[in-house]
Amino acid sequence: DIVMTQSPDSLAVSLGERATINCKSSQSLLYSSNNKNFLVWYQQKPGQPPKLLISWASTRESGVPDRFSGSGSGTDFTLSISSLQPEDVAVYYCQQYWNVPYTFGQGTKLEIK
Amino acid sequence: EVQLVESGGGLVQPGGSLRLSCAASGFTFRSYWLHWVRQVPGKGLVWVSRINSDGSTTNYADSVKGRFTISRDNAKNMLYLQMNSLRAEDTAVYYCARACPGDGYTPFDYWGQGTLVTVSS
Repeated sequence: DIVMTQSPDSLAVSLGERATINCKSSQSLLYSSNNKNFLVWYQQKPGQPPKLLISWASTRESGVPDRFSGSGSGTDFTLSISSLQPEDVAVYYCQQYWNVPYTFGQGTKLEIK
Repeated sequence: EVQLVESGGGLVQPGGSLRLSCAASGFTFRSYWLHWVRQVPGKGLVWVSRINSDGSTTNYADSVKGRFTISRDNAKNMLYLQMNSLRAEDTAVYYCARACPGDGYTPFDYWGQGTLVTVSS
């Protein structure tokens, strides 16, 4: 199974500041034929299901604010929030969909400092 | 509007069975792969199972293989998860999720609100 490891486990950032969450996979998620990374980021707020933020490592979903961005390739990926807003408080998960079983990172809890 | 509504959760004794259902609406159900994902309250997400659009292909996490069965009824727009030989460690909120269009190796774009399964004597 592909192991997904996020860092840090929790993060406190001041409003308006940048938040950065890292995700590392135990094997490459890059499909060379189409140059796509099979990596997604979800946001989960308390009492809610996860919400798809960014797919293919860097493609922001429709309606997701442009302060959210994804980067990285192969085994190392990053979710960045350029200017933290109160509504961004949540747990963020990365997930690989390269193969079955799909696996998630352990989650990163983002709070306001 | 895409909607996924789970039901069937509850309290069950170890060794017991439960069938979860997920009612889908707002999209062409028969065209999509579907998944079950579970989450122990306060903990992380764990993928459980998936099924392809016509039900001919299924996959399971090792932790549930041989005990859980995923199925679907495309005429009724329903997804199911039959859970047998339940264990305490199966206690979790179970979400159904729709995969983005594609060959099965795509992220999940819509999730239900989840149904809580508690396995306890």
